[in-house]
Amino acid sequence: GQNIDQPTEMTATEGAIVQINCTYQTSGFNGLFWYQQHAGEAPTFLSYNVLDGLEEKGRFSSFLSRSKGYSYLLLKELQMKDSASYLCAVKDSNYQLIWGAGTKLIIKP
Amino acid sequence: DAMVIQNPRYQVTQFGKPVTLSCSQTLNHNVMYWYQQKSSQAPKLLFHYYDKDFNNEADTPDNFQSRRPNTSFCFLDIRSPGLGDAAMYLCATSRGSWDSPSEQYFGPGTRLTVT
Repeated sequence: GQNIDQPTEMTATEGAIVQINCTYQTSGFNGLFWYQQHAGEAPTFLSYNVLDGLEEKGRFSSFLSRSKGYSYLLLKELQMKDSASYLCAVKDSNYQLIWGAGTKLIIKP
Repeated sequence: DAMVIQNPRYQVTQFGKPVTLSCSQTLNHNVMYWYQQKSSQAPKLLFHYYDKDFNNEADTPDNFQSRRPNTSFCFLDIRSPGLGDAAMYLCATSRGSWDSPSEQYFGPGTRLTVT
C-alpha cells in the first residue's frame, strides 16, 4: 500500500526553528508537495521538491532525499500565524497525489 | 483576483436529503478535483476532471456524483447523505496535463453537517 507518515502534532516557541518530517512509501515518485492548512480553511501551497536537496523560500525551506523516501519542512523565525497543520503529499507513478494526515504545529509565545 | 470559489461555505442537510455543493474558478485551469476531508485526516480524493474527462476514484461511494458543465464550474451531488458524510468538501484546480507537477489551488471549502 501507499503511505505517508508525519508526526501528528508538534509544539514550538515563537522565534524558534522547527523541522517537520515526512516519510513516504509510494509506488513511484513524481514530486513532493508541502501545504499549509489553517484550522477550518483550505490548504495552501508552500513548496515542491522533485530533485534531491534543499529548496528555500523565505522563512520556509523544504528538503528531499528520494533514496530515503524522506522530506522535511523547516520553518525559521516562527510567528504565531504559523500555527497550522502542515500536509505532505507525494505524486506517485500514476501522477496521483497521495496525502499525509498532516502535522498540527502549535506555536507558544 | 483569480480564485476558486465554493458555495455555500456551510451547508446543513437532513439525513437522506439530497444536497449539491458548487465550485467555480476564474483561474482557467483545466483540471478540477473534489476532496472530502474529515477532522485531522488527509484530504480524500473523490473525483477529478481533466478537461471534460471524468475520473472516479475506485473507493468513492456511489452516493456521490459529480458534474462539470463547463471549464469554470463543477458540482458535487450527494444523493442520500448519511451521518458519515459530514465533512469539509474541498474543490481544487490545477493547470496543465494530469502528469504535470503543477500545484493545486484550493477553494475555501464547504463544511457539510448532516442532522
